[in-house]
Amino acid sequence: DTEVTQTPKHLVMGMTNKKSLKCEQHMGHRAMYWYKQKAKKPPELMFVYSYEKLSINESVPSRFSPECPNSSLLNLHLHALQPEDSALYLCASSQQRTGGSPEAFFGQGTRLTVV
Amino acid sequence: AQSVTQPDIHITVSEGASLELRCNYSYGATPYLFWYVQSPGQGLQLLLKYFSGDTLVQGIKGFEAEFKRSQSSFNLRKPSVHWSDAAEYFCAVGPNYGQNFVFGPGTRLSVLP
Repeated sequence: DTEVTQTPKHLVMGMTNKKSLKCEQHMGHRAMYWYKQKAKKPPELMFVYSYEKLSINESVPSRFSPECPNSSLLNLHLHALQPEDSALYLCASSQQRTGGSPEAFFGQGTRLTVV
Repeated sequence: AQSVTQPDIHITVSEGASLELRCNYSYGATPYLFWYVQSPGQGLQLLLKYFSGDTLVQGIKGFEAEFKRSQSSFNLRKPSVHWSDAAEYFCAVGPNYGQNFVFGPGTRLSVLP
């Protein structure tokens, strides 16, 4: 199983709403990532979790709050977003050990629209 | 700092023609190199990867790529393009486990019938 599952696939939210994006993998990967992708651009890294601990935060605004409840799950909590936050949000995972294969496996993404 | 360039923003080829997408990277050591493909509104799918060993690597969907250390390049090729290959292609560098993957800007491939 090389699947990363993201829910929901589409989300429309108002600027005062609170919502969460969810990501799940069962490949035993201990590194998990959130990326943001705007149209016609490459993915931009937001956060990296390594062994359930936040290891990289690419200066993301606090209205985005990541959470890694266990080694298989990754959440992204959203609050007070702006219309410019509308984008495709991608979750990915990879191995976290020497000798393993470090490629990232991506989910299908959540298409977020902030109105 | 590592970086990835893809000189071609958009390439159009006829179905059945050969394809080469260019990728150049900047990194101090031998990097882990990847090619991903993304269809509109979808996630990224790994086409192939290079870590070490044979510099010509085979991937899925009939794609291959060649690592050339002297040119800091990792170009993607396919001998005969199918209409379903129309998509965005990203070259990426992954320097270490759990570290951030650096993506190139992408090349959009259009396929003419």
